[in-house]
Amino acid sequence: EAGVVQSPRYKIIEKKQPVAFWCNPISGHNTLYWYLQNLGQGPELLIRYENEEAVDDSQLPKDRFSAERLKGVDSTLKIQPAELGDSAVYLCASSLSPTNEQFFGPGTRLTVL
Amino acid sequence: GESVGLHLPTLSVQEGDNSIINCAYSNSASDYFIWYKQESGKGPQFIIDIRSNMDKRQGQRVTVLLNKTVKHLSLQIAATQPGDSAVYFCAEKYNAGNMLTFGGGTRLMVKP
Repeated sequence: EAGVVQSPRYKIIEKKQPVAFWCNPISGHNTLYWYLQNLGQGPELLIRYENEEAVDDSQLPKDRFSAERLKGVDSTLKIQPAELGDSAVYLCASSLSPTNEQFFGPGTRLTVL
Repeated sequence: GESVGLHLPTLSVQEGDNSIINCAYSNSASDYFIWYKQESGKGPQFIIDIRSNMDKRQGQRVTVLLNKTVKHLSLQIAATQPGDSAVYFCAEKYNAGNMLTFGGGTRLMVKP
């Protein structure tokens, strides 16, 4: 069975440009998470979805970040405009439910120049 | 705010030796703890978990110990192999929020 799929794997952009990340969770997983991971640090939750509903987005910087999960399957995370400090790895994870084990994708490494 | 942290940023061990990775947590309400392994270019991978009503849990070559008195968590890896080289994170969770909070990570380097 395929794991969590993310694309692109790497993205380099100039500051003030927009960028979008895509995530395809494990089939049947209703809960989807987006995390931000800075170098040498643990992942930090940005947003959690239950099906198509965002149930925890308190850590998402809403002035420049947005996310959607149409039809409760795939999800996209967008940054507009990107800032230098947004350089990090953006991880997507999914689980059957909020209390089940989370499975992580490989992440998208974003570099903002 | 309350957080989960690690004592050692880098641990270097000889192949075949046992490894011990430590983690301190400060949220006394946490009732579920997980150890993750993250290899370069990959996402974190579940290793082993433990609930707060236990003080020890064993898996294949790995053991997690929980000391609630001093809020300390450790991961023991027996007969460490080169494939164990990675960054290890502890994470905590409490039912009220179902949110996973990660610590800062320890890099394990296994010398052949």
